[in-house]
Amino acid sequence: AQKITQTQPGMFVQEKEAVTLDCTYDTSDPSYGLFWYKQPSSGEMIFLIYQGSYDQQNATEGRYSLNFQKARKSANLVISASQLGDSAMYFCAMREGGSYIPTFGRGTSLIVHP
Amino acid sequence: GAVVSQHPSWVICKSGTSVKIECRSLDFQATTMFWYRQFPKQSLMLMATSNEGSKATYEQGVEKDKFLINHASLTLSTLTVTSAHPEDSSFYICSACKADSYEQYFGPGTRLTVT
Repeated sequence: AQKITQTQPGMFVQEKEAVTLDCTYDTSDPSYGLFWYKQPSSGEMIFLIYQGSYDQQNATEGRYSLNFQKARKSANLVISASQLGDSAMYFCAMREGGSYIPTFGRGTSLIVHP
Repeated sequence: GAVVSQHPSWVICKSGTSVKIECRSLDFQATTMFWYRQFPKQSLMLMATSNEGSKATYEQGVEKDKFLINHASLTLSTLTVTSAHPEDSSFYICSACKADSYEQYFGPGTRLTVT
């Protein structure tokens, strides 16, 4: 079974609108961390936001927020006020327990159009 | 801080030759480095984990003799693709962890094309 599931292969959003990218995860470890990365066409992986399993509040970083619903095992990324530069692949990832190694989802391609 | 570089950023080589890719942590010491491979429009696939001064740990299905990893210092890890073939063409990304930290810092990637 996949540990990280991103069901949206592609998403389109109009500039200045908000968009939600879905991510569900599967783990039995009570301690884990969830990450979102952005990968533009240049290829570099850009860290966006992190949520720990014990964090009480949803993580936020500027225009990025993580809608963490622990009981549903979902960690959706919300991008507010989309910009053309937000067009990229977005990967959700999870690291379990004491492991250094994250598991990545398949990614969602986001296209922001004017 | 926490900048990771890769060199070269892209390389084209002929089938049968070997290619070395360097991954450097520029402003921190990386006790652990990771090598990933990414095919177009696909996710990152972990190839191996390397710790400074010890042998790399390869993921299942990754050929150790083909993808040689050396983590010679706390700031440098190298991936050598030996006897490259066209099917080795891919995007290779490294990442590094600081000591006592789980955070991974990614390099910009190296695009390898084998003709």
